[in-house]
Amino acid sequence: EAGVTQFPSHSVIEKGQTVTLRCDPISGHDNLYWYRRVMGKEIKFLLHFVKESKQDESGMPNNRFLAERTGGTYSTLKVQPAELEDSGVYFCASSQGASGRVDTQYFGPGTRLTVL
Amino acid sequence: AQSVTQLGSHVSVSEGALVLLRCNYSSSVPPYLFWYVQYPNQGLQLLLKYTSAATLVKGINGFEAEFKKSETSFHLTKPSAHMSDAAEYFCAVSDHQAGTALIFGKGTTLSVSS
Repeated sequence: EAGVTQFPSHSVIEKGQTVTLRCDPISGHDNLYWYRRVMGKEIKFLLHFVKESKQDESGMPNNRFLAERTGGTYSTLKVQPAELEDSGVYFCASSQGASGRVDTQYFGPGTRLTVL
Repeated sequence: AQSVTQLGSHVSVSEGALVLLRCNYSSSVPPYLFWYVQYPNQGLQLLLKYTSAATLVKGINGFEAEFKKSETSFHLTKPSAHMSDAAEYFCAVSDHQAGTALIFGKGTTLSVSS
């Protein structure tokens, strides 16, 4: 079974440009999460999809970030326009979402974003 | 609000020595606790999780963790370190069974010397 995949693995852009990150969750997983780790800090939650709906986007830093999950499969996270403080590693995770037991989140390898 | 504190950003041990990585949590409700590991150039991999069943949880690669409610701790241990254990380890907490964000500690980098 394929794990969570993310593309690209690295992205280097200039301040003011746009970048789109993609996440493909494990097949059949309804829950999809985005997290971010800024250098030297902890991994922080950005938002959570259940299928195609945003369940919780309380961690999104500002309106320069737009996440979508059309059709409830893969998800994209767009940063427009990018700022220096957006640099970091963006992780995607997915989980099955079965009720009645602890739901394990499976993480992708992350996308390292550098904004110059 | 929930929080996680990992004591020590960097721990160094010799091969064969005991590994002890510390994690304390703060939660207003019974928590679910997790340890993840990140090897270089890889994603986070689940080591083990506490689900309110047994307080001593066994994970992969010989790791285990004990939930101590009185100390609000969930320390990760391994009796004998191996070179391949060198990685960054993250403790995380959530308070719902499904579909809730994980709150992470800052991570502890484990170095193993021969």
